Formats: sequence, C-alpha cells, structure tokens
Amino acid sequence: DAGVIQSPRHEVTEMGQEVTLRCKPISGHDYLFWYRQTMMRGLELLIYFNNNVPIDDSGMPEDRFSAKMPNASFSTLKIQPSEPRDSAVYFCASSLVGTPGYGYTFGSGTRLTVV
Amino acid sequence: QKEVEQNSGPLSVPEGAIASLNCTYSDRGSQSFFWYRQYSGKSPELIMSIYSNGDKEDGRFTAQLNKASQYVSLLIRDSQPSDSATYLCAAERGSSYKLIFGSGTRLLVRP
Repeated sequence: DAGVIQSPRHEVTEMGQEVTLRCKPISGHDYLFWYRQTMMRGLELLIYFNNNVPIDDSGMPEDRFSAKMPNASFSTLKIQPSEPRDSAVYFCASSLVGTPGYGYTFGSGTRLTVV
Repeated sequence: QKEVEQNSGPLSVPEGAIASLNCTYSDRGSQSFFWYRQYSGKSPELIMSIYSNGDKEDGRFTAQLNKASQYVSLLIRDSQPSDSATYLCAAERGSSYKLIFGSGTRLLVRP
C-alpha cells in the first residue's frame, strides 16, 4: 500500500489567496483526520470524517477553513482567504478504527507558507 | 491544563542506555493511548498502542499505563543514535476515536 498520500508537499502563497490541500487515505480505512502542526501549538486536530461524513469540525479555527470528503479515496482542506498565521505543516491521517492497535497512519504532510 | 502533557526535553542519554519518556493525561474517560515517533521534518509514525493497565513490550520498546495515576510512559532499551527524535504521546478522547497529542519530548541519544 502506498500509505496516505498528500499533495502538494510544499505550498507558498500570498496572503488572501485560496489554498487547497489534498489527501488520499489508505484504501479500506474508515476514518480520516486533518491535523495542523506548529512549534507553538503542536499537533492540533482540525476535523475528522467517518465513512466520508464529517463528524467533528470543532478544531477548525475559523470559517476561512473548510474540508470535504466527496468519496472514500479523497479529501480536501481549503483555506480561503489565507493569512500568514495559517503557516504550518498540515497532516492528513487515516485509520481503520477498532482494529487492534489501530492508531493513525499519517501522510507526509504539506508545509504551507503564507507570505 | 493541557489534555496531554509531556516534558519537552531534550532528554539526553548515552548510547546503550534506557530512555524513559513520560506523559500524563487529564481525561479520565480516555481508554486508548499511543506513542508516536517523529523525526525532524517527517511525519509522526506509530510505535506502540496500549489500552490496559500494566506493561506492553515490543522489541526494545515497553509502554506502561497506569490509569489510576493517569500516566503513560515509554521505555526504550539499548538506545541507539537512530532513536534520536521527538516522541509524541497521544490519548483517545473518551470513545470518540479523536487522538489528542502532547507537545512531544525530544530525545537525543549520544554515541
């Protein structure tokens, strides 16, 4: 299995622009999570999906952030408009919850820089 | 109080020694706990999970859980320089399948 695939690996954008981050989870996994990691705040859960349905978006910082999962093999996280404080590494993770030792498998992340 | 707390370190140990990493959590409803390793510039990777009080061993790694004290630890025996990384403790919030991560402990293994 290729693991969780995220794109792009790096994104540099100007303040005010729209940014779309993409994620392909591991086939067969039923949960998908979006996290953001910064030095100051560590790993923060933004939103997660179960069988493509958003379950909890309480971690989404503002209305500028939105996420979708149109099918079991694809999810997007969109920031519109982007701001410099959104600069972080964004990770997507997937899991087959309930299996022994399930944990999450993380993608390689997208390093976002907003200038 | 953070939901999952770890000492940020760095914890420095000589090669071959036992490294002991600790974590406390505040949600008494948490039932599942995980240790992840993250190398600089890389994504977190799962090392171990633990659900029951006591010890769980996997190779050089031993996870320990004490639910009464709300305490989780990870022991790394025969530490190697390649073990130098940040170790993240995570607790499942209630039965939500949401993992809440600590800020991580940086481990340095000196050759």
